[in-house]
Amino acid sequence: DAGITQSPRHKVTETGTPVTLRCHQTENHRYMYWYRQDPGHGLRLIHYSYGVKDTDKGEVSDGYSVSRSKTEDFLLTLESATSSQTSVYFCAISETQGVEKLFFGSGTQLSVL
Amino acid sequence: DAKTTQPPSMDCAEGRAANLPCNHSTISGNEYVYWYRQIHSQGPQYIIHGLKNNETNEMASLIITEDRKSSTLILPHATLRDTAVYYCIVSLGVNAGGTSYGKLTFGQGTILTVHP
Repeated sequence: DAGITQSPRHKVTETGTPVTLRCHQTENHRYMYWYRQDPGHGLRLIHYSYGVKDTDKGEVSDGYSVSRSKTEDFLLTLESATSSQTSVYFCAISETQGVEKLFFGSGTQLSVL
Repeated sequence: DAKTTQPPSMDCAEGRAANLPCNHSTISGNEYVYWYRQIHSQGPQYIIHGLKNNETNEMASLIITEDRKSSTLILPHATLRDTAVYYCIVSLGVNAGGTSYGKLTFGQGTILTVHP
């Protein structure tokens, strides 16, 4: 398995609180992604990064921010969590630009009450 | 990106070949076909991808028709651990004019159940 670690694996939080999810890779891959998976919607891209300090929005970026200060770490922050952000979050990495060969982490189950 | 159509579910006997079909009739000339799978409670796993030619790796074979409007993923000797949701995805990579990295559209996929 690709060296991807997501933390925490499970989190329960209350509406309005800030939440940060961490993705750590040991593969030195340039590209990193955050997806969310919900029943009926499949996986949807939230944000992605194409290098240190280089990030951009995906299709469902509202309410989320990201940061990448080091190659190995990609943080996803929910500034003020809402119940609609209850989901399973997956981090993914890839090495090759233009070819969507992604390696996914094990996911974080986030529940916002 | 082109849309794909897959059967919602399929069964396969352990040890037999599993052939998973995918229709992508609106695929454009420079779009790749990707296959991923997701085992319950795990992240998606890349299997294989191709553009025009058939491809084979240690996990599976990908057969793409000459007109590229459909493809088949073949697991040559299915095991119980191959039970998963299999996703067929068509994507235009950034190098080929796509506008977003990693923007893979995971539809509903095919639930493959491998029976003993």
